[in-house]
Amino acid sequence: ETGVTQTPRHLVMGMTNKKSLKCEQHLGHNAMYWYKQSAKKPLELMFVYSLEERVENNSVPSRFSPECPNSSHLFLHLHTLQPEDSALYLCASSQEARRETQYFGPGTRLLVL
Amino acid sequence: GENVEQHPSTLSVQEGDSAVIKCTYSDSASNYFPWYKQELGKGPQLIIDIRSNVGEKKDQRIAVTLNKTAKHFSLHITETQPEDSAVYFCAASNAGGTSYGKLTFGQGTILTVHP
Repeated sequence: ETGVTQTPRHLVMGMTNKKSLKCEQHLGHNAMYWYKQSAKKPLELMFVYSLEERVENNSVPSRFSPECPNSSHLFLHLHTLQPEDSALYLCASSQEARRETQYFGPGTRLLVL
Repeated sequence: GENVEQHPSTLSVQEGDSAVIKCTYSDSASNYFPWYKQELGKGPQLIIDIRSNVGEKKDQRIAVTLNKTAKHFSLHITETQPEDSAVYFCAASNAGGTSYGKLTFGQGTILTVHP
């Protein structure tokens, strides 16, 4: 599990706050992903980055803003979120965007009040 | 797009029994099928995967079978132990070529192994 780390592990924020989630992978991979995991729903792919370039934006609201400064780091900037955005946000990485095996971090449990 | 259905949603077994979780997929072009185990407070961890050119794969107590014709694949856990208790997810993707490795996940199965 130390291959992909995420901080913070837990976050409580108000709807007017701005916060950022951080993901770091220590596997030498070139692709990184953000997923949203809500109760009783399948994992939802949000964004995909390949070599720091966004290759997928899965109809995610603009209140979620990803950033990939290099192939090891991925951020998810949050602003003016809604209570329904409360979920577990998972980061994953893979060797390449076309390599199927993805390795997940532990996630950030987000609660929006 | 791809759609993956997973059953059952919950599964309760006695320690030592076998557990089977089944998934069906809709896109006949899917060629990679991983299984993930998610324990409480952790992210999903890959436990086994299979590609479309193989019908079965085993790793100790875990096995996965794939039926391409019927478009379904299954996870088999033998001699279950309490530490096998977790949520299990199947997934499917059509990776390679011009498409990236987009995984479509099933809804998950909560497995409980009673001592």
